[in-house]
Amino acid sequence: DGGITQSPKYLFRKEGQNVTLSCEQNLNHDAMYWYRQDPGQGLRLIYYSQIVNDFQKGDIAEGYSVSREKKESFPLTVTSAQKNPTAFYLCASTRQGGNNSPLHFGNGTRLTVT
Amino acid sequence: GQSLEQPSEVTAVEGAIVQINCTYQTSGFYGLSWYQQHDGGAPTFLSYNGLDGLEETGRFSSFLSRSDSYGYLLLQELQMKDSASYFCAAPIKETYKYIFGTGTRLKVLA
Repeated sequence: DGGITQSPKYLFRKEGQNVTLSCEQNLNHDAMYWYRQDPGQGLRLIYYSQIVNDFQKGDIAEGYSVSREKKESFPLTVTSAQKNPTAFYLCASTRQGGNNSPLHFGNGTRLTVT
Repeated sequence: GQSLEQPSEVTAVEGAIVQINCTYQTSGFYGLSWYQQHDGGAPTFLSYNGLDGLEETGRFSSFLSRSDSYGYLLLQELQMKDSASYFCAAPIKETYKYIFGTGTRLKVLA
């Protein structure tokens, strides 16, 4: 079955360490997205990519970095520059950006930094 | 700027009808989508309005009025399992950017 896999489900890190969250999809989707969700809040866009080797900053890109070397993979690195990294991170993909192509989400990674 | 605003919380009883509103300010978008998210889970797609008017999908309906920069999700015959957060979302024209509203937490009471 096709879908989006995020790993790990829970991640714990010490302050000052970079950490990379994995996102893999086998839906053959062109566009991929990373969102951050804080408790009781909406989804805020971190980065998105519409094609391999190309990506754009979202609304809260500071302290994060991404790569898109393969169509299936869109890893997110949370750097030590991110002031409040503890959050629920969601990866999503869609067949093509815009119009009525719905987003498909992974099950998320809950990151805790102490 | 681009933003979608929703009420933070709505409460209703089982079997009732509830409407969740979404007002938006965007520089241009294709339409309005709705997603459901249960606590701790991933959002799942519910519906999409590309044109003004009402779209019906079972117990859920969604409405869009571009002239009023407004849309809503209507849930009928509420069930306990409908207790979740609901988000409106918009794919932005000319880009692949996809932004979400502030979210509405729906509590269904027995």
